[in-house]
Amino acid sequence: EVQLVESGGGLVQPGGSLRLSCAASGFTFNSYWMHWVRQAPGKGLVWVSRINGDGTRTTYADSLKGRFTISRDNAKNTLHLQMNSLRAEDTAVYYCARDRGNWFESWGQGTLVTVSS
Amino acid sequence: DIQMTQSPSSVSASVGDRVTITCRASQGISSWLAWYQQKPGKAPKFLIYAASSLQSGVPSRFSGSGSGTDFTLTISSLQPEDFATYYCQQASSFPLTFGQGTRLEIK
Repeated sequence: EVQLVESGGGLVQPGGSLRLSCAASGFTFNSYWMHWVRQAPGKGLVWVSRINGDGTRTTYADSLKGRFTISRDNAKNTLHLQMNSLRAEDTAVYYCARDRGNWFESWGQGTLVTVSS
Repeated sequence: DIQMTQSPSSVSASVGDRVTITCRASQGISSWLAWYQQKPGKAPKFLIYAASSLQSGVPSRFSGSGSGTDFTLTISSLQPEDFATYYCQQASSFPLTFGQGTRLEIK
């Protein structure tokens, strides 16, 4: 069974940094592209970033380029999202998701990031 | 960016009803469309991909159709567990984008 478990969310001040993690199990992690998708409170879903199986190719939403960095550790079956220069509008639940042809086949339960002073 | 517009934004229906939700893309996306179901406080669930292919384990009362710019999600006979928010998503080009969601409520 595919399992994705996010962690690392929490309260951070504007301008601060946070590193999210997503522990994967139940599938061959390094064979899949992986994504981050976020959802602000009461709002819709927004794609954030993706990374290929060996970690050599990444894509980002234009509005986040330069502040967010996606990476993966295939030895530990873990996906990461490093978030810097955080703003109030980055407040959201962040989901990791397994790729299927640029669709999101499996999702974690999400981790809440709150940016506030 | 490709904009995805769903209609209606919300709909009220009863158990047993047939419901159709529409999703329109701002440019042609062939059949690169998926549908998701999300319940409050939960992660989205992958329902349909390639516009009309049912994900494994999804009940057959769910169906999708369309190509190009206009797509529909139909639930043939609503069950109590179907009351949720539904999102479409285009997979044709980056950035990947979602519709704003359609909230399906109990009448």
